[in-house]
Amino acid sequence: SYELTQPPSVSVSPGQTTSITCSGNKLGDKYASWYQQKPGQSPVMVIYQDTKRPSGIPERFSGSNSGNTATLTISGTQAMDEADYYCQTWGSSTVVFGGGTELTVL
Amino acid sequence: EVQLVESGGGLVQPGGSLRLSCAASGFTYSNYAMSWVRQAPGKGLEWVSGITGSGGNTYYADSVKGRFTISRDSSKNTLSLQMNSLRVEDTAVYYCAKTLHASGSYYFDYWGQGTLVTVSS
Repeated sequence: SYELTQPPSVSVSPGQTTSITCSGNKLGDKYASWYQQKPGQSPVMVIYQDTKRPSGIPERFSGSNSGNTATLTISGTQAMDEADYYCQTWGSSTVVFGGGTELTVL
Repeated sequence: EVQLVESGGGLVQPGGSLRLSCAASGFTYSNYAMSWVRQAPGKGLEWVSGITGSGGNTYYADSVKGRFTISRDSSKNTLSLQMNSLRVEDTAVYYCAKTLHASGSYYFDYWGQGTLVTVSS
């Protein structure tokens, strides 16, 4: 079965740029989406179709997808961005989520 | 404003059944696919099932295939998940999610608040 691999945790200082990766076999041939989940809350989509940002999501969130890796980049990271982030893709009539990355802003 | 409100969660014994519902509002319900995604306590997200806007196509994760059934009622704007032969490992918060499914992409633009299902003796 298809798998998506994310680093369990990433740390960043406020104001810096950080990237969270999501790896899967030929992931660049599929679409990737990203979700942010804060403690006790439902997930929120922050990137869809690799690079698109939903309305209401700050411009500091951006995405890319090529080869075997999709990447979520947060520029000028803020304390409010501290959360778990999940990548997701679709293929063979199945949805796959990555294991999630805990982003710490310190 | 899109709203998704899940209900029907609770405590059930292994081998038992439960039916979850999701009431949708704020969008043209029949135009959109819908999905269920779950999250076990302290764990990541796991997709469970999806259904097209017409209800004509359904999709299931291997972990629930043959035990769970997704359905929708466009007259009532509701989504359901019938869960049979429940296992301890089905314990999770179950989210209803509005789904965009087209041109090779499938993603969840709105999520409900979730309903907790606990399978335990």
